[in-house]
Amino acid sequence: DAKTTQPNSMESNEEEPVHLPCNHSTISGTDYIHWYRQLPSQGPEYVIHGLTSNVNNRMASLAIAEDRKSSTLILHRATLRDAAVYYCILRDRGNQGGKLIFGQGTELSVKP
Amino acid sequence: NAGVTQTPKFQVLKTGQSMTLQCAQDMNHEYMSWYRQDPGMGLRLIHYSVGAGITDQGEVPNGYNVSRSTTEDFPLRLLSAAPSQTSVYFCASRGRPATNEKLFFGSGTQLSVL
Repeated sequence: DAKTTQPNSMESNEEEPVHLPCNHSTISGTDYIHWYRQLPSQGPEYVIHGLTSNVNNRMASLAIAEDRKSSTLILHRATLRDAAVYYCILRDRGNQGGKLIFGQGTELSVKP
Repeated sequence: NAGVTQTPKFQVLKTGQSMTLQCAQDMNHEYMSWYRQDPGMGLRLIHYSVGAGITDQGEVPNGYNVSRSTTEDFPLRLLSAAPSQTSVYFCASRGRPATNEKLFFGSGTQLSVL
């Protein structure tokens, strides 16, 4: 399984944009890039995923590098509720049982 | 829809006891999986299933058994509990790959083994 590398922690100020980086230099052509987040004392929740093109949804945007070896999750205006651990994960779309292997993630803290 | 339902929410076991953690989903999802999360750590995949009658091992399968007799249910069995299995356990499910990539998680079972 291809691995991802994320910073252990990041800080942000409330109402400012946040850019969470993820390196995946060994990504294969069939790997989806997934982002999940885990709020304190809760199960993970889906944030966004993409393959090659940048993606937007109501929660965030995903910017994927042209060579796909890195991606960035963008929270446009951080709120206190966005304080969580953010996981960047690769999933092989060519494999029906393609597993999601979680790494350590990035712990985001948001200051008022 | 209730989504992914895990029971119990909390459980205390003695070393050597056995028990089953229940997981049920009402979204007709083919893929189901079990993760464990130790304090301050990320999630680790225990077992997963791509459909009824089909299961496979994840990263940390030792000490755990699973079966998938129906689409809805994916129980996790601890055969002989050990203190090293103290953890929070999460069940997750997903629809058909590529058309439905979103993984839905249950609220977790906190297990303590004394």
